[in-house]
Amino acid sequence: DAGITQSPRHKVTETGTPVTLRCHQTENHRYMYWYRQDPGHGLRLIHYSYGVKDTDKGEVSDGYSVSRSKTEDFLLTLESATSSQTSVYFCAISEQEQETQYFGPGTRLLVL
Amino acid sequence: GESVGLHLPTLSVQEGDNSIINCAYSNSASDYFIWYKQESGKGPQFIIDIRSNMDKRQGQRVTVLLNKTVKHLSLQIAATQPGDSAVYFCAERGSNYKLTFGKGTLLTVNP
Repeated sequence: DAGITQSPRHKVTETGTPVTLRCHQTENHRYMYWYRQDPGHGLRLIHYSYGVKDTDKGEVSDGYSVSRSKTEDFLLTLESATSSQTSVYFCAISEQEQETQYFGPGTRLLVL
Repeated sequence: GESVGLHLPTLSVQEGDNSIINCAYSNSASDYFIWYKQESGKGPQFIIDIRSNMDKRQGQRVTVLLNKTVKHLSLQIAATQPGDSAVYFCAERGSNYKLTFGKGTLLTVNP
């Protein structure tokens, strides 16, 4: 998975609780992305980062926030998880913006 | 075949046959395309990419063809093996310079 790890790999949580997912890369790529993958949909961009402390919203950013304090780490936070955020979350990295993206192994999140 | 917008189609082939997976895209201004493979429970894996100034690109056992006239992209896998069984999806980079991902095609290889 191109030097990308995600943690946790699986999580079950309750509605209303905060959740933070972590993406860690060892490739020193500038760009990092968070996607969610749901049945019937292609990968949908939540947020992305184009450098330390530089982030922007994707198409499905409501209810999510991100932070990037170091090149290698990109955190995704669900401030108050809802059942609609049950999904598989993938982190991706790329050297150039919106060029080939390499994906992590994913985090399966279940919100009860 | 797949479209960036259709339900997940399936393709079943015999081991050793060639596979062709299709992808239709809607944005004539898209300038860059990528094919990914995703095995069950894993993250998408990059296979091959192609820019809009090319019609064909070859990799190891894979070929991507781009027909800009009809906005169609295809992935050809030669001598398909059981390990090729996965969901394959394409991505396009549109005029907004963002990647849009298709839902994919499920390829099943029968031994």
